[in-house]
Parts: sequence; structure tokens; C-alpha cells
Amino acid sequence: GENVEQHPSTLSVQEGDSAVIKCTYSDSASNYFPWYKQELGKRPQLIIDIRSNVGEKKDQRIAVTLNKTAKHFSLHITETQPEDSAVYFCAASIGSGSEKLVFGKGTKLTVNP
Amino acid sequence: GAVVSQHPSRVICKSGTSVKIECRSLDFQATTMFWYRQFPKQSLMLMATSNEGSKATYEQGVEKDKFLINHASLTLSTLTVTSAHPEDSSFYICSASGTTQYFGPGTRLTVL
Repeated sequence: GENVEQHPSTLSVQEGDSAVIKCTYSDSASNYFPWYKQELGKRPQLIIDIRSNVGEKKDQRIAVTLNKTAKHFSLHITETQPEDSAVYFCAASIGSGSEKLVFGKGTKLTVNP
Repeated sequence: GAVVSQHPSRVICKSGTSVKIECRSLDFQATTMFWYRQFPKQSLMLMATSNEGSKATYEQGVEKDKFLINHASLTLSTLTVTSAHPEDSSFYICSASGTTQYFGPGTRLTVL
């Protein structure tokens, strides 16, 4: 079945720096890759997603890149702010027609003022 | 964006009792909802897929007789933890599938 690896597990940056979180997946049929942000005790919230027909997507300070050949995708946050501190989860769809997602183990991002 | 509600947000119960958790999609219809369990500082573990009008599909290792799922309408799925025990204490989160998965706020279950 699908397996999603996420690195690093923790990441600490200074305010204003960039943060990069990387994920790899195993199922070449996966075609949907969302990223979720979860603050302590709250629900995961979708921050950006990408489908396999594009290689990059950007939304203000957040971008996601996808390399289908290598089966990895990355989240890039520029000009980080303290409110970006949270746990970030990547996910990959199971196969090409399934709504089910497999999640990475998460990255705890800390942005230091 | 799509809104998913979950009730209750927190429940404490005695061992052996059953607890029902409701998940509602408020502004869209969801033929598919998912139930996850999340342990502290860990990822989301999919428990089951809830399909409107049909039986739920459970992930390997999840006891279907312990975690009863009902998806009676396009906006409501319920998870009942039957004969709860302390090891069932966890954070349970539902999601409703639209253009992506939208999560409910979660239910913190504590079994004494």
C-alpha cells in the first residue's frame, strides 16, 4: 500500500527565514497531494494542495513542488512568521481514483521571533 | 470554504459505556466521510471510510464491532465507540470529502 515519509520531524527557523518540508510517496498512481497545518488541539486545515498534472503551485508565501519521477513533493514557506508555528502534515491519495489519503508523520515547525 | 462540525468536542465517560460522536458537513453534501484517530504528537490514523447509504469500510486492525459507523445522510456520519475502555481514550477526528478532505474540530474522548 501507499507509504508517505516526511522529513524533518522537527524544524526550527528564525522569523523571516524560509522553511522546507519534504515528503516522499511510494504509489506511482497517487495523483493528489495536500498539505495540512494543525495547531495544538485544533483541526488540520488545508493550506495548499497539488495534483499530479502540475509541477508547482504557489499561494502567497506558501508553495508546493512535485516531482512525479522521483515521487517526492515539498512544502516551501517563505518569510516565516511566528504564527506559522504548528505541525504540518503532507498526504498522498491512495491510487488515482480514491479519496482516501495517507498522511506523513508530521513536522513540528517552530518560528522563533 | 467547506465547514465540518463535530460533536461533542470533549467527552469523559466511564469504562464500559458507549459514546456517540457526530460529524456533519454544514454547507456541502458528502457521500464519503472519514474517521481518524490521533494520539498525542502523532499523525492521523485512518480508522474507516464512511459511505452514505452503505456499510463503512474499516482499515486493517480496526474492530468494526467496537467502532460502529453510520452514514445515514449526505451530511451526517456518526461514530459510536462501544463498551469504551481506557485504551480507547484518544482524539477522534472526522473529515468530509469534497474537492479535498475537510476536517472537523475533533472529539477528545477520555475513558476513566
